[in-house]
Amino acid sequence: RKEVEQDPGPFNVPEGATVAFNCTYSNSASQSFFWYRQDCRKEPKLLMSVYSSGNEDGRFTAQLNRASQYISLLIRDSKLSDSATYLCAENVGGSQGNLIFGKGTKLSVKP
Amino acid sequence: EPEVTQTPSHQVTQMGQEVILRCVPISNHLYFYWYRQILGQKVEFLVSFYNNEISEKSEIFDDQFSVERPDGSNFTLKIRSTKLEDSAMYFCASSWVILGTDTQYFGPGTRLTVL
Repeated sequence: RKEVEQDPGPFNVPEGATVAFNCTYSNSASQSFFWYRQDCRKEPKLLMSVYSSGNEDGRFTAQLNRASQYISLLIRDSKLSDSATYLCAENVGGSQGNLIFGKGTKLSVKP
Repeated sequence: EPEVTQTPSHQVTQMGQEVILRCVPISNHLYFYWYRQILGQKVEFLVSFYNNEISEKSEIFDDQFSVERPDGSNFTLKIRSTKLEDSAMYFCASSWVILGTDTQYFGPGTRLTVL
């Protein structure tokens, strides 16, 4: 059974803090991974794709560790507007292409 | 920026009734998906669709569910006889390339409430 596990949080951090989320996956055949952001009662919105070499987009850095089967998301200098639930997702690929999501990690950034 | 649209935003129905949820994927995308999210739970895959046929479906997608692309723009999810446990947010998504190398973009969702 394919599962994606995340710490549900909540993570309560002050503005300006650095916060890191991890996500573990069980299917070693998974080909690609993503971080989505979901605001309350809204759709998942893509934050970043996750590449083996790691990738950075402004304050956000994503890493993939295939040996240990986890992905991570680092948010630097957190803003109030970063408050949301962060979902990791894996795509096993092949003919499926369906995403398997974790339950999400809730982040609350306080002034 | 192109986006996936869904209608209606909220659908209330009686148990046993049929509902059709509608989606307009991004225009040059070829792969379409339905997901659902029961309140407080994870987003779950229902079905993927390519070239006018189902590519993959989950165990949730039983005989009560069907999908269709009735014309060049719409993609629909039909639930034949709704049950209380079908109450959820239903998200449509679309992507360009399926082999796990491209991104799925989600619509705003339809909140289905079954009474």
